[in-house]
Amino acid sequence: GENVEQHPSTLSVQEGDSAVIKCTYSDSASNYFPWYKQELGKRPQLIIDIRSNVGEKKDQRIAVTLNKTAKHFSLHITETQPEDSAVYFCARMNYGGSQGNLIFGKGTKLSVKP
Amino acid sequence: NAGVMQNPRHLVRRRGQEARLRCSPMKGHSHVYWYRQLPEEGLKFMVYLQKENIIDESGMPKERFSAEFPKEGPSILRIQQVVRGDSAAYFCASSPQGGGGQPQHFGDGTRLSIL
Repeated sequence: GENVEQHPSTLSVQEGDSAVIKCTYSDSASNYFPWYKQELGKRPQLIIDIRSNVGEKKDQRIAVTLNKTAKHFSLHITETQPEDSAVYFCARMNYGGSQGNLIFGKGTKLSVKP
Repeated sequence: NAGVMQNPRHLVRRRGQEARLRCSPMKGHSHVYWYRQLPEEGLKFMVYLQKENIIDESGMPKERFSAEFPKEGPSILRIQQVVRGDSAAYFCASSPQGGGGQPQHFGDGTRLSIL
């Protein structure tokens, strides 16, 4: 019930192609879904997030889609560049009460080949 | 506007010693979260604190681990009598408000190695 399943665990694409990472969850109380990018040895960096009252959000080459009925959300990166290579983590959080902790997926290692 | 500051960046301890990890939240943020990351894994929530209050410690091991966020100064994650299994990267995040739906911004982490 609490976990977030993230797929694929590794993804290799050619520069300029698109990359899609998908996460599924089972707790219907989840209402906030951020995505983090983590380069080797560095901090997780928030790149985009979405709330449950929105189905899609876009920021330049990055977009996130949310299907609350099916309980899955996806990260889309278009026109990938070598500097997009990193580990990407999805996460979910429940609204309300004192809960503030993020529950993370296990990550996707994205490699963009020039 | 300085980000979340953690120190030290690297910490080496021998088994049985104590480890103290510090975290100063972003300016204007009063909510702090600690996460642990094992190699090639995701982050696991440990504890959520507000100034002088522990809001949620459901992810903290029952023994040896404690956390505080005093009125003045940084948040401290304390691990007593460290064991090899405590080796990990410990990340702190902060948010301006608490509760669900608040973006959390992370520090650079403390890499703890136990000899």
